[in-house]
Amino acid sequence: EVQLMESGGGLEQPGGSLRLSCAASEFTFSSYGMSWVRQAPGKGLEWVSTISGGGGSTYYADSVKGRFTVSRDNSKNTLYLQMSSLRAEDTAVYYCAKAQSGSYVWLDKWGQGTLVTVSS
Amino acid sequence: QSVLTQPPSASGTPGQRVTISCSGSSSNIGSNTVNWYQQLPGTAPKLLIYNNGQRPSGVPDRFSGSKSGTSGSLAISGLQSEDEADYYCAAWDDSLKGILFGGGTKLTVL
Repeated sequence: EVQLMESGGGLEQPGGSLRLSCAASEFTFSSYGMSWVRQAPGKGLEWVSTISGGGGSTYYADSVKGRFTVSRDNSKNTLYLQMSSLRAEDTAVYYCAKAQSGSYVWLDKWGQGTLVTVSS
Repeated sequence: QSVLTQPPSASGTPGQRVTISCSGSSSNIGSNTVNWYQQLPGTAPKLLIYNNGQRPSGVPDRFSGSKSGTSGSLAISGLQSEDEADYYCAAWDDSLKGILFGGGTKLTVL
C-alpha cells in the first residue's frame, strides 16, 4: 500500500527555518510528481509547491515563492520542503501528496500531515 | 486574480441528492480539468473525483462530477451521514502555474 509520512514540523520563531520531509514507500517514487499542500487551523486547503518526478520542474505559490524550496531525493524516496523566513501566516498542517499520472492536480495519496507553528 | 468559488455550506437529509458548485475562469477550469477532494473531520483530504468526472477506485458511484465551461459541479446522491465532510474543488491554473483550491464547502447531513 502506498504510504507517505511527513516529519520535521514543530514550533519555530518568525524569521526562522524548518525543513519538512516526506518519506514515500510502495510505489516508484521517481515516476510521480509530488506536492505540498497546507491547511491553516480552521481554514481551507492551500497549495504550496509541486515538483516533477525527476525534480527538473518546480512550481510555487506566490505566498511562498522565494522563501520555500521544494526538492526530492529519488534514491531515498523522500520529498523535502525547505522553509525559510517563516511568518506567522505559515502556521499550518503541511501535507505531502502524490500526483496520479496525467496531471499534477490529481493528488491520489496524501500523508497524515505535520504541524508547523510559527510563533515567538 | 485566479480563484475558485464554492458555496461555504450545503446540507441535505439522508437519501437526498445534493450538488456543490465550483466557479472558475478560463485560466483554470476553462482550460483544465476540475477535481474534487473530500476531507472528513480530523483527516487528510482524499481524492474523490478527478478529470471532471472520473472516480478513483473505491469511491462509491453515488458521487459524480461534471464540468461545463468554466464551472464544475459535484453531485452526491443517496446522501448518507458519513458523507458529512468538507469538499474542495481544485484545478490547475495556467496563469499561476500551480494548483488552485476552492474555499471549501461544509456539507451537513441533517
